[in-house]
Amino acid sequence: DIQMTQSPSSLSASVGDIVTFTCRASQSISTYLNWYQQKPGKAPKLLIYAASSLQSEVPSRFSGSGSGTDFTLTISSLQPEDFATYYCQHSYSSSLTFGGGTKVEMK
Amino acid sequence: QITLKESGPTLVKPTQTLTLTCSLSGFSLSTGGVGVGWIRQPPGKALEWLALIFWDDDKWYSPALKSRLTITKDTSKNQVVLTMTNMDPVDTATYFCAHRGSSRDYFFDFWGQGTLVTVSS
Repeated sequence: DIQMTQSPSSLSASVGDIVTFTCRASQSISTYLNWYQQKPGKAPKLLIYAASSLQSEVPSRFSGSGSGTDFTLTISSLQPEDFATYYCQHSYSSSLTFGGGTKVEMK
Repeated sequence: QITLKESGPTLVKPTQTLTLTCSLSGFSLSTGGVGVGWIRQPPGKALEWLALIFWDDDKWYSPALKSRLTITKDTSKNQVVLTMTNMDPVDTATYFCAHRGSSRDYFFDFWGQGTLVTVSS
């Protein structure tokens, strides 16, 4: 199985900050990497698919990059509604897996 | 618009079998390329993918849970059913169903609200 490792597990940031966090796959997954945002008590929301494609109606301050084993999600100017947990998920094989998540907290 | 809604018991006893239903609206599992998956999340923990069923009745399962899971579809009712046998307290989680977002990839663009299942005697 392909393991997905996210880092850091949590980070503190302020409104307006540029925030970047990473997801690493245990083997190459090309660009079969997706990002979700989840707020407490809510279902996850798709942000980015295929490593860098922005899902419809997702603000352009979110961007994704990477290929192979290393991927990043960047929020260019953190907004109050962005405090949440972010998960990556690979879709390279028939055994889909999620990363452990990165929680973005208010500094 | 696309919506999904999970239903099933909120409490099951250890060793029992869990049956969850995902009711679909705004799309049909008889349409080529469509898929519906199940994902769970124990309290305070990460998401875990469980299973995925496709319009052509192909099925994918998490290797770690494959022996305990069965996913089926009822196209006439527009529902997807997940059964999990031999439930244990560690299976306590919120269970989500979700719509496959692309016919050429395997991510989930629409999710149900989730249903919390507690396993306890």
